[in-house]
Amino acid sequence: EVQLLESGGGLVQPGGSLRLSCATSGFTFSTYPMTWVRQAPGKGLEWVSVISGSSDFTYYADSVKGRFTISRDNSKNTLSLQMNNLRAEDTALYYCATSEDCTSPSCFLWYWGQGTLVTVSS
Amino acid sequence: EIVLTQSPGTLSLSPGERATLSCRASQSVTSRYLAWYQQKPGQAPRLLIYGASSRATGIPDRFSGSESGTDFTLTISRLEPEDFAVYYCQQYRTSPFTFGPGTKVDIK
Repeated sequence: EVQLLESGGGLVQPGGSLRLSCATSGFTFSTYPMTWVRQAPGKGLEWVSVISGSSDFTYYADSVKGRFTISRDNSKNTLSLQMNNLRAEDTALYYCATSEDCTSPSCFLWYWGQGTLVTVSS
Repeated sequence: EIVLTQSPGTLSLSPGERATLSCRASQSVTSRYLAWYQQKPGQAPRLLIYGASSRATGIPDRFSGSESGTDFTLTISRLEPEDFAVYYCQQYRTSPFTFGPGTKVDIK
């Protein structure tokens, strides 16, 4: 059974940093791309970033480019999102997601975690 | 960036009725790189449809997807009580892999 468990969320001041993690199990982690999606309170889904299985390719939403860095540790089956220079508009529930159906980053999202909440406020 | 527009914003229907949800892309989403997700309050999204018309494993056949150019449709043939939720489309053809704003299907 595929399991995704996010952690690392919390309250941070504007301009601060936070590192999110997504621990995974139940699939061959290194083969598949991993994605971060966020959802501001009461709002819709926003795609944030994706990383290929071998970390060869990373893509970002314009809203986070230059501030967020996605990475993965295939030896630990873990995905990370380093978030710097955080803004109030980054406040959201952050989900990690993946699919076993594609090895390309251009893929739908079959498995989702339950999310970790990031609140940016002074 | 490919912008997805979903309509209507809210669809008020009764159980047993047919629901037709629309998703329009600002540019071509080639090779049918379009997915539909369902989200209920307090839950993570659930994949319903990928490749514009392929049902994900375990999704009832009352859910179907179709495509006509840059227009995509999710149809729920007969609404069950558990189908009242928010539905999002997503294109995964070109980064950023954008989502639509969602359609809420609520009980009339």
